[in-house]
Amino acid sequence: QKEVEQDPGPLSVPEGAIVSLNCTYSNSAFQYFMWYRQYSRKGPELLMYTYSSGNKEDGRFTAQVDKSSKYISLFIRDSQPSDSATYLCAMGSQGNLIFGKGTKLSVKP
Amino acid sequence: DSGVTQTPKHLITATGQRVTLRCSPRSGDLSVYWYQQSLDQGLQFLIHYYNGEERAKGNILERFSAQQFPDLHSELNLSSLELGDSALYFCASSVGGGDAETQYFGPGTRLLVL
Repeated sequence: QKEVEQDPGPLSVPEGAIVSLNCTYSNSAFQYFMWYRQYSRKGPELLMYTYSSGNKEDGRFTAQVDKSSKYISLFIRDSQPSDSATYLCAMGSQGNLIFGKGTKLSVKP
Repeated sequence: DSGVTQTPKHLITATGQRVTLRCSPRSGDLSVYWYQQSLDQGLQFLIHYYNGEERAKGNILERFSAQQFPDLHSELNLSSLELGDSALYFCASSVGGGDAETQYFGPGTRLLVL
């Protein structure tokens, strides 16, 4: 079993839709959880960062962590064509960050 | 623009060769991280340097080595290159060297080994 599993998609939604992106993990030692967005031919950029179970909201983005189920989610409300990118979950402990393989999202106008 | 710079942007070389990738961190950042991104493996952590010293090692092959210089820029050396080394190589930087630092990624170097 891989340490971090992420559905690669691709995921295609109409503009304005609510998008749900998910990752599961197996290592209960993971202490911090992140979501990165990567546009084509660019480096990943940090979107959300959480330490504990629960929800964290930033504008149209909400990150959710459920440590008991080893499951994290990213919700995007009112999705825009500019949200079209690959979304990578990442999690770690003791300085070692493990990334999911990414979900490719396309938001159609 | 994250403030992290990487050179070159593209590199084409042959099997068996050696290449050097360069990274300049954001101003004020003391940590540099190297990652390899391929289609089948995703983004894989290679190595982390903090203020000139190796802090953590990930899935880095013995043919690969890195260092961080006194001016805090870093170089990743890849030798005896194989076809499977073709990938995007990213550098990231962070302010400190702690466990949960926010990492800022550069634009990457695309390596193609023929």
